[in-house]
Amino acid sequence: ILNVEQSPQSLHVQEGDSTNFTCSFPSSNFYALHWYRWETAKSPEALFVMTLNGDEKKKGRISATLNTKEGYSYLYIKGSQPEDSATYLCARGFGNQFYFGTGTSLTVIP
Amino acid sequence: NAGVTQTPKFQVLKTGQSMTLQCAQDMNHNSMYWYRQDPGMGLRLIYYSASEGTTDKGEVPNGYNVSRLNKREFSLRLESAAPSQTSVYFCASSEETAVASRVTIYFGEGSWLTVV
Repeated sequence: ILNVEQSPQSLHVQEGDSTNFTCSFPSSNFYALHWYRWETAKSPEALFVMTLNGDEKKKGRISATLNTKEGYSYLYIKGSQPEDSATYLCARGFGNQFYFGTGTSLTVIP
Repeated sequence: NAGVTQTPKFQVLKTGQSMTLQCAQDMNHNSMYWYRQDPGMGLRLIYYSASEGTTDKGEVPNGYNVSRLNKREFSLRLESAAPSQTSVYFCASSEETAVASRVTIYFGEGSWLTVV
């Protein structure tokens, strides 16, 4: 019921390519959808908190959209750079808890 | 800024040993969390503390105990470690009880625990 799914599981792109990944979640009782960027051996870093259907957020070359009615969010990276290599996590808020997906591992090849 | 600090960063335990993971935050947050991260699985909540003096079970609490020592500190204890508890553990905090789950969670850098 609370499963959050992310696709693809991993992705390799060339430097300069644009890319996007998907987070799917149950659309009922929606509170919020979070995106995090996680580099191994570092703290997961918050990118966006999205709460309203149709929300679009942007941070530099990274942007995200939200569709709460159909239960998905897209994360876009424009002109990928090697420093974008990381695992991107999404999490659905529900009550006092957050339910995380397994992440999309992005590798940007110079 | 320190943010969320957790120790130790790496630990190897023998089956049956006990240990405590320490976590402290300097952001004056009310809520604190312990998660574990396993390959092929998302971060799963072990325990959380909505405010000083309260703790609640999360999705995978078995084999763990927690203590909210004060507003800053939230520790996780493994009383008798098992190989199934080999994992990466993350402490996190947020500004308020995430009833609406709309607040940002701030994470520590993780603690790599291996139980042999």
